[in-house]
Amino acid sequence: GAGVSQSPSNKVTEKGKDVELRCDPISGHTALYWYRQSLGQGLEFLIYFQGNSAPDKSGLPSDRFSAERTGGSVSTLTIQRTQQEDSAVYLCASSFFRGKQETQYFGPGTRLLVL
Amino acid sequence: GDSVTQMEGPVTLSEEAFLTINCTYTATGYPSLFWYVQYPGEGLQLLLKATKADDKGSNKGFEATYRKETTSFHLEKGSVQVSDSAVYFCALSGGTGTASKLTFGTGTRLQVTL
Repeated sequence: GAGVSQSPSNKVTEKGKDVELRCDPISGHTALYWYRQSLGQGLEFLIYFQGNSAPDKSGLPSDRFSAERTGGSVSTLTIQRTQQEDSAVYLCASSFFRGKQETQYFGPGTRLLVL
Repeated sequence: GDSVTQMEGPVTLSEEAFLTINCTYTATGYPSLFWYVQYPGEGLQLLLKATKADDKGSNKGFEATYRKETTSFHLEKGSVQVSDSAVYFCALSGGTGTASKLTFGTGTRLQVTL
């Protein structure tokens, strides 16, 4: 079956512009996560969705970052007024249930470069 | 807070050598432990997991045992292949805050040569 998909695969933008990153989770997966992979910080948790609500946004680095999920499926991560330090690979993952035992399935990521 | 520490890389081995990648963790409660692998040009894939103390996760010849007494989850393989060249990430979930979010180590790059 189809895995987690993300778009675009690569995005180059200028400092100060807004960007939207999309994640399509595996069908039927209720939990969705965003992570960021960067050279300086490794892999960091950003936000978690259960259905359409986000009970944990603790990893979002600033108020320039926001995310939403609609229909219990697609999620969009928006970065406003991008900065060079936002350059990273943004990863989305989904799992069937929430819970510490659940396997999270990762998408291929969106590589963001802010010039 | 929760943290995962894994050995620095890169690790370079000859084919058929024995592999150990060390991983230790700090967490409240009783986390689940994972090894994820990232092959060149590909996304993160689950390699194996263990959800309680003394459990052994295994897959593709790799093994790791959840040792609560030493807070460790070391990855081992008896005979590596060139195709095992990748970056390996140790991770935990079930610590502080959202039960299911993953906390990752920094990753260990493995290069296997002929």
